[in-house]
Amino acid sequence: DTAVSQTPKYLVTQMGNDKSIKCEQNLGHDTMYWYKQDSKKFLKIMFSYNNKELIINETVPNRFSPKSPDKAHLNLHINSLELGDSAVYFCASSHGTRPYNEQFFGPGTRLTVL
Amino acid sequence: AQTVTQSQPEMSVQEAETVTLSCTYDTSESDYYLFWYKQPPSRQMILVIRQEAYKQQNATENRFSVNFQKAAKSFSLKISDSQLGDAAMYFCAYSGSQGNLIFGKGTKLSVKP
Repeated sequence: DTAVSQTPKYLVTQMGNDKSIKCEQNLGHDTMYWYKQDSKKFLKIMFSYNNKELIINETVPNRFSPKSPDKAHLNLHINSLELGDSAVYFCASSHGTRPYNEQFFGPGTRLTVL
Repeated sequence: AQTVTQSQPEMSVQEAETVTLSCTYDTSESDYYLFWYKQPPSRQMILVIRQEAYKQQNATENRFSVNFQKAAKSFSLKISDSQLGDAAMYFCAYSGSQGNLIFGKGTKLSVKP
């Protein structure tokens, strides 16, 4: 059983398109995250949701919109894709937002914008 | 703002030898955790070890141990008896009041047979 799953694992698309990445966790966690890993392997937080409420929104372009329909899901929708959006996007989840709560990562989605 | 610095972009170790990966961080918070994550070519993020700031005792997980120097804000990872499967990117990470992870830029570890 996969704890944190993401779909799709690979996504290749043209500039200007709109795409979504889905994330689901079956761990019963109430907090979910989106991280972006750029071409230099640098990982950075994008968003964080706790009980479906947005609690962290880093300086991410408005073209990125997270949506949490329930505590087990956190989707990422990207409008008007740009070349610079090419990266690996990781979803993660944890029980609560305290620093000691271990975060469990999904397998990542490699997005390539042509 | 909290920052995490890994000053070694790449490291190499001979199989069965010991290697130490360096990490420093900066924070004004008192309640935080530090982590080391491993990312093999499969890109899956794997938690290797974690350290609570309040604990003076260094964490250990089998062949992996840390040297946590709170005053110096240093958190290095020691891998003993290195194995070929240890080859990966290693990320040092900080978690504080907001709960999200703040990562260093990573160290690519190669293991030579």
